[in-house]
Amino acid sequence: GAVVSQHPSWVICKSGTSVKIECRSLDFQATTMFWYRQFPKQSLMLMATSNEGSKATYEQGVEKDKFLINHASLTLSTLTVTSAHPEDSSFYICSARAYHSGTRDTEAFFGQGTRLTVV
Amino acid sequence: LAKTTQPISMDSYEGQEVNITCSHNNIATNDYITWYQQFPSQGPRFIIQGYKTKVTNEVASLFIPADRKSSTLSLPRVSLSDTAVYYCLVGDAGGYNKLIFGAGTRLAVHP
Repeated sequence: GAVVSQHPSWVICKSGTSVKIECRSLDFQATTMFWYRQFPKQSLMLMATSNEGSKATYEQGVEKDKFLINHASLTLSTLTVTSAHPEDSSFYICSARAYHSGTRDTEAFFGQGTRLTVV
Repeated sequence: LAKTTQPISMDSYEGQEVNITCSHNNIATNDYITWYQQFPSQGPRFIIQGYKTKVTNEVASLFIPADRKSSTLSLPRVSLSDTAVYYCLVGDAGGYNKLIFGAGTRLAVHP
């Protein structure tokens, strides 16, 4: 199946600094990608929908100035956590949907996730 | 987006069949039912998807009654490596619709 790759897998940063997470679709084009965050023992929470060539759509309660999303190409979306604080420590996961060949159906593929720890 | 309800947790033993039921009373006509598996510190992985009746692949079966208000994921002969969280999602399978995750079911398989 299609592959979605995230980088880095884990990152530790100091409070107040910014961190960029990359999400790539390796063998298909993704005009739309999704960013989730997940706290320990909890489900995935959708943060935003990333659209190639246009502004991201953020879910209610997600600060767009805090979590900057750039989708500059059909295979790359980036999430930048600006001025990170310890409460931003979480598991961040991206996703993209790829069409099943010959159908209108799509399947969502997920990256392996990025563990962010802010100290 | 239709809301889903699943048991919070389940326990099983190696070699047993596990059935996880999901309720989705407000499922829409165009909605498909999709199940994902997630291991700790990994992204979710697609297991199976269906619209009605029964779907089977190499890892699981999905049973959907005629009213489609619920679905059951069946894992035959589970092993320790099947210990994971299982999510049931409902939504339009076409296009680039976002996926909203419910709480999921935490399955623990014991020796």
